[in-house]
Amino acid sequence: KQEVTQIPAALSVPEGENLVLNCSFTDSAIYNLQWFRQDPGKGLTSLLLIQSSQREQTSGRLNASLDKSSGRSTLYIAASQPGDSATYLCAVLNNNDMRFGAGTRLTVKP
Amino acid sequence: DGGITQSPKYLFRKEGQNVTLSCEQNLNHDAMYWYRQDPGQGLRLIYYSQIVNDFQKGDIAEGYSVSREKKESFPLTVTSAQKNPTAFYLCASSIGALGANVLTFGAGSRLTVL
Repeated sequence: KQEVTQIPAALSVPEGENLVLNCSFTDSAIYNLQWFRQDPGKGLTSLLLIQSSQREQTSGRLNASLDKSSGRSTLYIAASQPGDSATYLCAVLNNNDMRFGAGTRLTVKP
Repeated sequence: DGGITQSPKYLFRKEGQNVTLSCEQNLNHDAMYWYRQDPGQGLRLIYYSQIVNDFQKGDIAEGYSVSREKKESFPLTVTSAQKNPTAFYLCASSIGALGANVLTFGAGSRLTVL
C-alpha cells in the first residue's frame, strides 16, 4: 500500500527566500503526482500535475520535480511571498488509487 | 463560474443523529469523490462515483452512505454508526478517471459532534 510522507510538517521562512518542500512515496510505480495548496479552512487547489514520464513541471514561481526511482518529489518556490503561506500537499496516483501526504504548513514572514 | 459547491460550511450534530452534506458541481465532470481530512493526516477517501447510479467504497466507508442520482450531485450522509465523525469533509470531482485529470475540490464542510 502506497505511503506518502511530507517533511517537514511546518516551515517558516522570511519573505524573498527560495524554498523546497519535500514529498516521498514508497511505491515507485506511480501514474502521476500532484501538488496542491490548501488555505486554512478551505478546499485544495491543484498547483502542478506531473505524469510518471515527466521529470518536472513549472508554473510561474513554482517548479515541481519527480524522481520515481528514489520515490521523491520536490516543490520549489522561488522568491517566496507572504501570500504563499498555506499548507502544501502532495498526492500520488497508483492504479486509480490516490494517496495524500499530510502536508507541509508554510509560513512566509514579511 | 464553474466549480463545486459544498454546503453547509459548518454543521453541528448531536450524537445519534444522521446528517447529510451536500456536494454540487457544474463542471460536467463524470467522477466525484468524498474525502475526510483530520489534523496531521492526509486526506482519506470515503466514497467515489465514476458514473451516475454507481459508486464505490473507499478506505473508510463504514458509517457513511452516498447516492449519485444526478451527474452534478453527490451527497454524503454521515450516519450514527460513524463513531468519530468530527472532521473536515471535502468533495472533489474530475472529468474522468484520475489518470490524466486533475482533481477539483470544493471549499469543504466542517462537521462537529456535540
